[in-house]
Amino acid sequence: GQNIDQPTEMTATEGAIVQINCTYQTSGFNGLFWYQQHAGEAPTFLSYNVLDGLEEKGRFSSFLSRSKGYSYLLLKELQMKDSASYLCARLNSGNTPLVFGKGTRLSVIA
Amino acid sequence: GAGVSQSPSNKVTEKGKDVELRCDPISGHTALYWYRQSLGQGLEFLIYFQGNSAPDKSGLPSDRFSAERTGGSVSTLTIQRTQQEDSAVYLCASSLRHLAGGVGYEQYFGPGTRLTVT
Repeated sequence: GQNIDQPTEMTATEGAIVQINCTYQTSGFNGLFWYQQHAGEAPTFLSYNVLDGLEEKGRFSSFLSRSKGYSYLLLKELQMKDSASYLCARLNSGNTPLVFGKGTRLSVIA
Repeated sequence: GAGVSQSPSNKVTEKGKDVELRCDPISGHTALYWYRQSLGQGLEFLIYFQGNSAPDKSGLPSDRFSAERTGGSVSTLTIQRTQQEDSAVYLCASSLRHLAGGVGYEQYFGPGTRLTVT
């Protein structure tokens, strides 16, 4: 399998910073997506990383280390509306579909 | 423009009946994907279509599942002789083209069809 691992649940306080980690097998890896999914809704695209380093987009940033098989999503200045599941998905080389992790359910509390 | 649409939004069916789920992708998107998501689980890939190429059916869980894409646009996922374990949310997504990375080539998801088999 692709062995994409993410924590199942996390809780953080409004206004704080939270880091959601994702690890994966490096073999055949070609890029990594992060999606946000609110309860009962469809996933929406957040970020894509193919090169090592940090990609910043407003309050959200995503980091990738290809050699370590590791990515994280960093959410700053947390808001209650950030409570959602965050899905990590790997893009493989070759003609194969995206493989999604099971997602991390983030709860933002006051 | 309009996003990905799916119908019906909810479907309740009796065990053993056949169901058809429909997906209208974003206009101009050549790649179309079907996933299913059970409660508390991640997205399970089912099948994808890329242009006029033969679809990748590697994720279909059994031969009761099939999908078509007519005219490179609308797709229908058919589940024959439904079983209770088929109950899930079925999500459709489209992208400009398959497997292209980067912003602009990400997958856009529809709202899903919640299937309940009683």
